[in-house]
Amino acid sequence: NAGVTQTPKFRVLKTGQSMTLLCAQDMNHEYMYWYRQDPGMGLRLIHYSVGEGTTAKGEVPDGYNVSRLKKQNFLLGLESAAPSQTSVYFCASSYERQETQYFGPGTRLLVL
Amino acid sequence: GQSLEQPSEVTAVEGAIVQINCTYQTSGFYGLSWYQQHDGGAPTFLSYNALDGLEETGRFSSFLSRSDSYGYLLLQELQMKDSASYFCAVNELGYKLSFGAGTTVTVRA
Repeated sequence: NAGVTQTPKFRVLKTGQSMTLLCAQDMNHEYMYWYRQDPGMGLRLIHYSVGEGTTAKGEVPDGYNVSRLKKQNFLLGLESAAPSQTSVYFCASSYERQETQYFGPGTRLLVL
Repeated sequence: GQSLEQPSEVTAVEGAIVQINCTYQTSGFYGLSWYQQHDGGAPTFLSYNALDGLEETGRFSSFLSRSDSYGYLLLQELQMKDSASYFCAVNELGYKLSFGAGTTVTVRA
């Protein structure tokens, strides 16, 4: 089991560029989540999914879009990157027992 | 909405006991979780309390008082490898978590 994997590990973008972050899990989890982590602010929920084909907004969804076309994958898109989106992005997934979330290693994004 | 408060930093020596408090205000509450994160790596699950009382997992214990909207994580017999950030998180709607800002624990020899 690879658990939760994220691609890429690190990326530098220029303002206005677009990109997609990929999250994959091989644990057959129904629930998947995207968080961003900034210094001193903990983890903030961007979007989440409670099953294949479903998505919902979290705490800080503006500037991001997501898709869950397959159960094992959860994609996070930035259509027009801004310096304020410089952050570390973590993906997580969980079983029905939602309090136990399994996190990926993170993607470090720098927007210049 | 929700808010969680926990101390930003705690320092202790090896072998000591550390208690990290977490107070919360939420519109709904299903339980309180604790996660550990080393040096910006992947957060990992430590414990979960849905009901009042103490949950023990090895050297770590977690406590919850729903009436006081309060919980804590107790780290016993501190080891150098316990130096990390610890986050409390409220399960507010049954399927998503809201995290506190984290407590950085530094263990000194």
